Amino acid sequence: RKEVEQDPGPFNVPEGATVAFNCTYSNSASQSFFWYRQDCRKEPKLLMSVYSSGNEDGRFTAQLNRASQYISLLIRDSKLSDSATYLCVVNPGYSSASKIIFGSGTRLSIRP
Amino acid sequence: GAVVSQHPSRVICKSGTSVKIECRSLDFQATTMFWYRQFPKQSLMLMATSNEGSKATYEQGVEKDKFLINHASLTLSTLTVTSAHPEDSSFYICSARALWASGSTDTQYFGPGTRLTVL
Repeated sequence: RKEVEQDPGPFNVPEGATVAFNCTYSNSASQSFFWYRQDCRKEPKLLMSVYSSGNEDGRFTAQLNRASQYISLLIRDSKLSDSATYLCVVNPGYSSASKIIFGSGTRLSIRP
Repeated sequence: GAVVSQHPSRVICKSGTSVKIECRSLDFQATTMFWYRQFPKQSLMLMATSNEGSKATYEQGVEKDKFLINHASLTLSTLTVTSAHPEDSSFYICSARALWASGSTDTQYFGPGTRLTVL
């Protein structure tokens, strides 16, 4: 089983739609969680951290379910500019040398 | 936010030559930097973890004699691809972990990447 698993997609949705991604992780002791966004041929950029209480940033909502070991990202009122690959990232430990683990990414394409 | 730079952004070289890629944290100190490689339509693959003042830790399957990593200061790590071959052509990305005064480690900041093409 992969340490971090994501549905690779692609998700192809119309502009204005709501889309949700899920990600599961295998290490129950994992400490922190993130969603990154990666545009084609670019580096990943932090979209948002994911907190146990859930957090929202504009049209984006992230949630963490420790009991079921999954995190989710919800995008409301999607825009064309939201088209990208969304990477689920898990940090298994507190140490500065602990290696974050990337999911393989979910491709999202927003159509006009 | 924290900024990480990478140089060069793109390099094309002949097979057999060596290529050095620099990764700098511009406005913070990074005790740990990471080097990734990404092939087209694939996720990032961690190559090695670089700690300032000590030897890098390489992931399984990554040849340490081929991918030389030096982390000479808290703001600079370099990756040298020695005797590059066409199969080494890839997108190389570094990242730096910001260790805040609070002692917490959190976000990892990525450089813009270096696209290496070996002819």
